[in-house]
Amino acid sequence: GENVEQHPSTLSVQEGDSAVIKCTYSDSASNYFPWYKQELGKGPQLIIDIRSNVGEKKDQRIAVTLNKTAKHFSLHITETQPEDSAVYFCAASKSGGYSTLTFGKGTMLLVSP
Amino acid sequence: DSGVTQTPKHLITATGQRVTLRCSPRSGDLSVYWYQQSLDQGLQFLIQYYNGEERAKGNILERFSAQQFPDLHSELNLSSLELGDSALYFCASSVRTVGSGANVLTFGAGSRLTVL
Repeated sequence: GENVEQHPSTLSVQEGDSAVIKCTYSDSASNYFPWYKQELGKGPQLIIDIRSNVGEKKDQRIAVTLNKTAKHFSLHITETQPEDSAVYFCAASKSGGYSTLTFGKGTMLLVSP
Repeated sequence: DSGVTQTPKHLITATGQRVTLRCSPRSGDLSVYWYQQSLDQGLQFLIQYYNGEERAKGNILERFSAQQFPDLHSELNLSSLELGDSALYFCASSVRTVGSGANVLTFGAGSRLTVL
């Protein structure tokens, strides 16, 4: 089955800096790559996703890049703010049928004022 | 509020006991997923139901079972509980039709289970 590796496990940045979280996946058939943000005491919330027919997607301060050849994808957060502090999860799945999401183990991002 | 409702929010019980966690999916979503979140294992997929039928199984123990009812709510039953079963249990739902594109999961707030 699919295996998703995520790093770093923790990331501390100063407010205004950029943060990058990287993930690799094992199943070349995977073609859907979402990122979830989990705040303390809450469930994971989808913040951005990318499908394999595109290499990059941006949404305001958040961007995701995908390299299908190398089987890795990354989350980029620019101009970080204290409210960006949370645990971020990457995931991968195939589309169609009843495929499920396989998650990385998460990155705890701490943004210091 | 994500629209996915999980009860109870917190549950404390003893080893050997049995508990039931409940999930109501977001309106219009036919598929329900259960995930277990522990500190060292991240989000582990347990089981998926679509419109009342089991569709995918992950790392779910034999002591655990689940079902999805005609009104689409789902229950996760955990029996013969062990200390290691202490975790956050998340339910997620998605709109799911056969052959549709990749599923977008919406998560509930979770049920925190503590086994003493």
